[in-house]
Amino acid sequence: DAGVIQSPRHEVTEMGQEVTLRCKPISGHNSLFWYRQTMMRGLELLIYFNNNVPIDDSGMPEDRFSAKMPNASFSTLKIQPSEPRDSAVYFCASSPWLAGGNGETQYFGPGTRLLVL
Amino acid sequence: AQKITQTQPGMFVQEKEAVTLDCTYDTSDPSYGLFWYKQPSSGEMIFLIYQGSYDQQNATEGRYSLNFQKARKSANLVISASQLGDSAMYFCAMRKNSGGSNYKLTFGKGTLLTVNP
Repeated sequence: DAGVIQSPRHEVTEMGQEVTLRCKPISGHNSLFWYRQTMMRGLELLIYFNNNVPIDDSGMPEDRFSAKMPNASFSTLKIQPSEPRDSAVYFCASSPWLAGGNGETQYFGPGTRLLVL
Repeated sequence: AQKITQTQPGMFVQEKEAVTLDCTYDTSDPSYGLFWYKQPSSGEMIFLIYQGSYDQQNATEGRYSLNFQKARKSANLVISASQLGDSAMYFCAMRKNSGGSNYKLTFGKGTLLTVNP
């Protein structure tokens, strides 16, 4: 079975440019998460979708960040304009989560390493 | 609020030996889950093992076992017969299994394990 797919795997861009990260969750999973990992802050949850609906975006750093999930098999995380402090590894994860249930394991994608110069 | 503490920034073990990675947690929730993830140098986050707070037996998955001591609020990962490929960062995480925000994983800062030949 295919795991969570993320693209691109690496992205180098210049400050001020728009960056779009993409994610395809595991088929049948109805929960999707975007995380950011840095040395200073560790793993941070940016946003959580359940059945394509954003449930919690309290972790999104600021208005420069936006995320969408137009259907059950695709999500994007966009940074516009990008800044050097956005340099990090961005992970997408999915789980067969049902809100209010006992919860399931989150399976992570390989991550996108973003470097903003 | 939930908190995960991993007190060992780094650990060394000889190949074929067993190693224990420590994890303590703090929560007031009666139902919760504990997870361990492995992050090799290539960067992906790999799910290893899960323990539910009401599970009667310690979880095992191949060479991985979770030494769950509920009264002590500890969930140590035991890796038996270490292999060179086990060298990686290991993260302990927890999530409450009911109530609001029961999708949020709280991660520890990680332990870097090095397996020596």
